[in-house]
Amino acid sequence: ELQLVESGGGLVQPGGSLRLSCAASGFSVRSNYMSWVRQAPGKGLEWVSVISSGGSTYYADSVKGRFTISRDNSKNTLYLQMNSLRAEDTAVYYCARGLYYADSDCYFDYWGQGTLVTVSS
Amino acid sequence: SYELTQPRSVSVALGQTARITCGGNNIGSKNLHWYQQKPGQAPVLVIYRGTNRPSGIPERFSGSNSGNTATLTISRAQAGDEADYYCQVWDSSTGIFGRGTKVTVL
Repeated sequence: ELQLVESGGGLVQPGGSLRLSCAASGFSVRSNYMSWVRQAPGKGLEWVSVISSGGSTYYADSVKGRFTISRDNSKNTLYLQMNSLRAEDTAVYYCARGLYYADSDCYFDYWGQGTLVTVSS
Repeated sequence: SYELTQPRSVSVALGQTARITCGGNNIGSKNLHWYQQKPGQAPVLVIYRGTNRPSGIPERFSGSNSGNTATLTISRAQAGDEADYYCQVWDSSTGIFGRGTKVTVL
């Protein structure tokens, strides 16, 4: 059974850092486009970042230069290093498996349960 | 950057048909995906690449995409279909979501 389990969320002060983890089972993270998607309280979904099967990384403009996506193939785990956190980064962060097609399409077929990040003093 | 436009809310009578739209410039030329999200839960893929249903999604859910509008249709709406629905495309190596539509079953 495919499963994604996020961890690492919590309360952090503005300007602080946090690293989220997403442990995958039932498939290999290195063979898929793995993404982070977040949802601020009462708001919609916002795509954050992706790491391709080839290791290329892309970010939303709102997090570029502050967040870093990575993976550990040996642990089959996806990460999101978040630095210089702001109040507007407060959200539930989901990891999701992306299925990528050659016509430059990608959608998310499996999602974790999410981990809450609260940025507040 | 590319933008997707969804109505904030749609209401449907029990057993009737709900249609949720997703607008975008020439969206018919793009692959469009739909997610359902119930309160306190992670999103669930209900339609991918315009018209395809993942395993386990009822046939009551269908999708279409043409011109500047894509549509998610829920036939014979049930109380359990009450949720937020999001459309999504992939554009220039980034994911783009619509703002979501809250579906209420009356």
